Amino acid sequence: AQSVTQLGSHVSVSEGALVLLRCNYSSSVPPYLFWYVQYPNQGLQLLLKYTTGATLVKGINGFEAEFKKSETSFHLTKPSAHMSDAAEYFCAVFSDSWGKLQFGAGTQVVVTP
Amino acid sequence: DTGVSQDPRHKITKRGQNVTFRCDPISEHNRLYWYRQTLGQGPEFLTYFQNEAQLEKSRLLSDRFSAERPKGSFSTLEIQRTEQGDSAMYLCASSLGAGGFNEQFFGPGTRLTVL
Repeated sequence: AQSVTQLGSHVSVSEGALVLLRCNYSSSVPPYLFWYVQYPNQGLQLLLKYTTGATLVKGINGFEAEFKKSETSFHLTKPSAHMSDAAEYFCAVFSDSWGKLQFGAGTQVVVTP
Repeated sequence: DTGVSQDPRHKITKRGQNVTFRCDPISEHNRLYWYRQTLGQGPEFLTYFQNEAQLEKSRLLSDRFSAERPKGSFSTLEIQRTEQGDSAMYLCASSLGAGGFNEQFFGPGTRLTVL
């Protein structure tokens, strides 16, 4: 079995401030980890993914995430928030034994001027 | 546009009616997935296809739901005798192969409202 927990359903950040979105997962086998972004009335777009190798993963739009096996975490960060970062963000886990993506409940990011 | 497309984008129906959604995956993608997303939640897996074969169905997929991918290309999701609880965004995704290495590309979704 596998599951994903995203801490905080809503996050408000000031433009230019650090964005930190938290994700913890459980998986009985080595997981593949993903962050997706969803803008209103649109589908999901992949921000970044961890499969194997380097634990610090860089994605699009200046986002990055670090896989920490000991903490079963995959937190998403961006050093400086832009207004265009306002969206909903989903963490997801995939394992070969499960065979499908399991998503967290999502975190809505609001960016204030 | 060579991405995943879904039709219609919005559907409003009355309780008890049947509805059908279509998904056109990225060409040559042999895996096709259906998800359901309700307000304030992440997408939940419904079913997936490897070419034309439906390999797995979630317990969320009641007997009123049926999905097909007859020629291994586009897929349809039909809901019979719709209920208000079926109101949700239905997302389709496709990937080139199985496994976590293969990114799932998502369509824009079909938003269903059951009155």
